[in-house]
Amino acid sequence: ETGVTQTPRHLVMGMTNKKSLKCEQHLGHNAMYWYKQSAKKPLELMFVYSLEEGVENNSVPSRFSPECPNSSHLFLHLHTLQPEDSALYLCASSLSWVGAGSTDTQYFGPGTRLTVL
Amino acid sequence: QKEVEQNSGPLSVPEGAIASLNCTYSDRVSQSFFWYRQYSGKSPELIMSIYSNGDKEDGRFTAQLNKASQYVSLLIRDSQPSDSATYLCAVISYGNKLVFGAGTILRVKS
Repeated sequence: ETGVTQTPRHLVMGMTNKKSLKCEQHLGHNAMYWYKQSAKKPLELMFVYSLEEGVENNSVPSRFSPECPNSSHLFLHLHTLQPEDSALYLCASSLSWVGAGSTDTQYFGPGTRLTVL
Repeated sequence: QKEVEQNSGPLSVPEGAIASLNCTYSDRVSQSFFWYRQYSGKSPELIMSIYSNGDKEDGRFTAQLNKASQYVSLLIRDSQPSDSATYLCAVISYGNKLVFGAGTILRVKS
């Protein structure tokens, strides 16, 4: 248990559905991240939210949209997804934004296994 | 060229042996390097970080960094079946992004 929780753990959705993934951390961290992990591929950074930089989009299609209402919660809103978007979506947090000289450890949540039909 | 490259494996070692996992990276200005372990169906967990050339030891784990060769490795001494997992190399790269390799599958056989 790393202190980062994600819900739901599993999600099956159709291409016309709208759903949201939720991430929560109570570690007092100021940076949160969304990653996508597909089979046989490296973890791909999707979004970074930090107090210093706000939300940073790492070239992600607009059918994914992040929302960060406060420093403890991060959402990933999904709409009109494609079957190739099926993957494990991981949330992570760190004390400060990794990069900009920071070496803070990133703690990962358990992930949401998403299947798009 | 991939930013962070790892041999996908699987790397099979007998119990008690030394497992050697390797990683190369393309961005010469990278300064921070991490090794994560990911068990099947679980999320990655950080096991080692290294920032300076040379070796860094933590229990049975030793990380080795050679910035001139753009090479970072992880040695696991006295390998145990519980070490069987996918090991992810990660590098803070251009633009201050944490970039991951695809991972090496390690299997320790008893």
